[in-house]
Amino acid sequence: GQQLNQSPQSMFIQEGEDVSMNCTSSSIFNTWLWYKQDPGEGPVLLIALYKAGELTSNGRLTAQFGITRKDSFLNISASIPSDVGIYFCAGHEGTSYDKVIFGPGTSLSVIP
Amino acid sequence: DSGVTQTPKHLITATGQRVTLRCSPRSGDLSVYWYQQSLDQGLQFLIQYYNGEERAKGNILERFSAQQFPDLHSELNLSSLELGDSALYFCASSVWDSLPSTQYFGPGTRLTVL
Repeated sequence: GQQLNQSPQSMFIQEGEDVSMNCTSSSIFNTWLWYKQDPGEGPVLLIALYKAGELTSNGRLTAQFGITRKDSFLNISASIPSDVGIYFCAGHEGTSYDKVIFGPGTSLSVIP
Repeated sequence: DSGVTQTPKHLITATGQRVTLRCSPRSGDLSVYWYQQSLDQGLQFLIQYYNGEERAKGNILERFSAQQFPDLHSELNLSSLELGDSALYFCASSVWDSLPSTQYFGPGTRLTVL
């Protein structure tokens, strides 16, 4: 079946540094979603991307829908301690949530 | 706070038992989804209801069942529990049953099967 790979698996960065992570798929997707999960909480949608090449920002977060439609990237600028958590990418071919596939996540730790 | 509530927050039970997890969606949301999150499988979609009717099924075991009631709250029933069923179970809701309607996740129920 379809699988998503996320890299890196985990990151330890200094406060104030920029962060980059990516997600790759073996299949073409029409939609990419990026979520953040804080410890003890459910995932929260950060950014949704619907078109190849699309670049979307949400505050210090910027995500891009790869041109090949098989990958997506998330950048966080000037990291702060509250950025700590697990970042999940998710993608699927259509628009219905039941077909969404989640990546394994990237764990981010920010050192003050 | 996403507006989605789940109870209980933690549940510890024994193998072979049956449990019921409850979810109240955000006010106005018609669609409810259940997910299982485990360390080895990640976040897996189980089942979706829309306005009281089952809309889609994912990787849900036959020992598991769910329903959505007229007031739109939903329950996930897990029976004949096995050690491998230990996981976080999330409920999510959205206004409509597809994108771009945003999906909001609840805080989850942590199930431990001993």
